[in-house]
Amino acid sequence: DGGITQSPKYLFRKEGQNVTLSCEQNLNHDAMYWYRQDPGQGLRLIYYSQIVNDFQKGDIAEGYSVSREKKESFPLTVTSAQKNPTAFYLCASSKEGAYEQFFGPGTRLTVL
Amino acid sequence: SQQGEEDPQALSIQEGENATMNCSYKTSINNLQWYRQNSGRGLVHLILIRSNEREKHSGRLRVTLDTSKKSSSLLITASRAADTASYFCATDDRSSYKLIFGSGTRLLVRP
Repeated sequence: DGGITQSPKYLFRKEGQNVTLSCEQNLNHDAMYWYRQDPGQGLRLIYYSQIVNDFQKGDIAEGYSVSREKKESFPLTVTSAQKNPTAFYLCASSKEGAYEQFFGPGTRLTVL
Repeated sequence: SQQGEEDPQALSIQEGENATMNCSYKTSINNLQWYRQNSGRGLVHLILIRSNEREKHSGRLRVTLDTSKKSSSLLITASRAADTASYFCATDDRSSYKLIFGSGTRLLVRP
């Protein structure tokens, strides 16, 4: 089955630790995206990548980092510099920008 | 930055009734999309309408787009309990092809 997967589903982190969220897709999509969603809110773009080895900051990139070494993978690292990291993180991919995006099931990150 | 804003924020209806939710945006767009999100899950694409289209149908969904008013509406006819979810509109940023999501409408369909 083609799709987009995220792991883990739930993640707990102590303050001061970096954590990496995984996102993998086998849809052969060029573009991939990371969003953050807070309770009762919409999605805010963290980073996006339209092609391998290239990525751009979104609206709330501070405290986050990404890499795009392979077309299929777009991991997100939440660093200790992110002041309020507890949130629901969603990864998405698309054939090209601004068209239908396919979303993963999300990772819920809680900082203890 | 918020481009699309949905209205109402929350909507509660009886099964079988129609549900209408609206989206307003600020700048010119190439297309507008609607997505559904069940609680604690990822988003699912429902429908895309291009800026040169005025109306589009998909099953029980009807979407309209008025570019002069910078607004769109999503109508779900003959609602079912399974339609209970949050619905988001998303518009493209013509300069960079990003999608910008609104804050969503939470729909509750009572059995």
